[in-house]
Amino acid sequence: LAKTTQPISMDSYEGQEVNITCSHNNIATNDYITWYQQFPSQGPRFIIQGYKTKVTNEVASLFIPADRKSSTLSLPRVSLSDTAVYYCLVGDPALNSGNTPLVFGKGTRLSVIA
Amino acid sequence: DVKVTQSSRYLVKRTGEKVFLECVQDMDHENMFWYRQDPGLGLRLIYFSYDVKMKEKGDIPEGYSVSREKKERFSLILESASTNQTSMYLCASSSLLRTGEEDTQYFGPGTRLTVL
Repeated sequence: LAKTTQPISMDSYEGQEVNITCSHNNIATNDYITWYQQFPSQGPRFIIQGYKTKVTNEVASLFIPADRKSSTLSLPRVSLSDTAVYYCLVGDPALNSGNTPLVFGKGTRLSVIA
Repeated sequence: DVKVTQSSRYLVKRTGEKVFLECVQDMDHENMFWYRQDPGLGLRLIYFSYDVKMKEKGDIPEGYSVSREKKERFSLILESASTNQTSMYLCASSSLLRTGEEDTQYFGPGTRLTVL
């Protein structure tokens, strides 16, 4: 099971772009990279998922280099409401193939300052 | 909108009691999960299920059991609650993936369990 490493915390000012990098050196061929966001007293919420290169949606972008040993979540122009914990997950989405499902780590606590 | 509900937001139990945490999802999802979340440790997977009556151990199954008699309901059972099981418990569900679909887990609001 691929283990992920991400910074424990980050600070940013409002309006800045925030990049959170996750390392996953042992990523397997069938593994996808998924990011979740969690606000206090709520369950995590899906942000974005990718396999390789770049994925973009209305919330964020995900950059994955060719070797797939790391990935970067990019949040454009953050606001105070983006203050949350961000989790990087790596795993095989084919849950009932017998593989262990996506596993959450400790996450990165992002604090956005006015 | 997907809805995952948990039976209680807050629960206080005594050491040795049997505790049931219920989770219900309304999206006909095949997969369901139970996590616990503790400060500094993130989310840790306790058990998951990918079909009715099927269950698989996660990373920390000791002291817990689960039941999935119906597709929409996944119960977490603490046979004999202990103080080290005081935690936030989160339930999630997801659908069986088809090619090109994203593996999205939908979470409930959580149950904060205190064992005295």
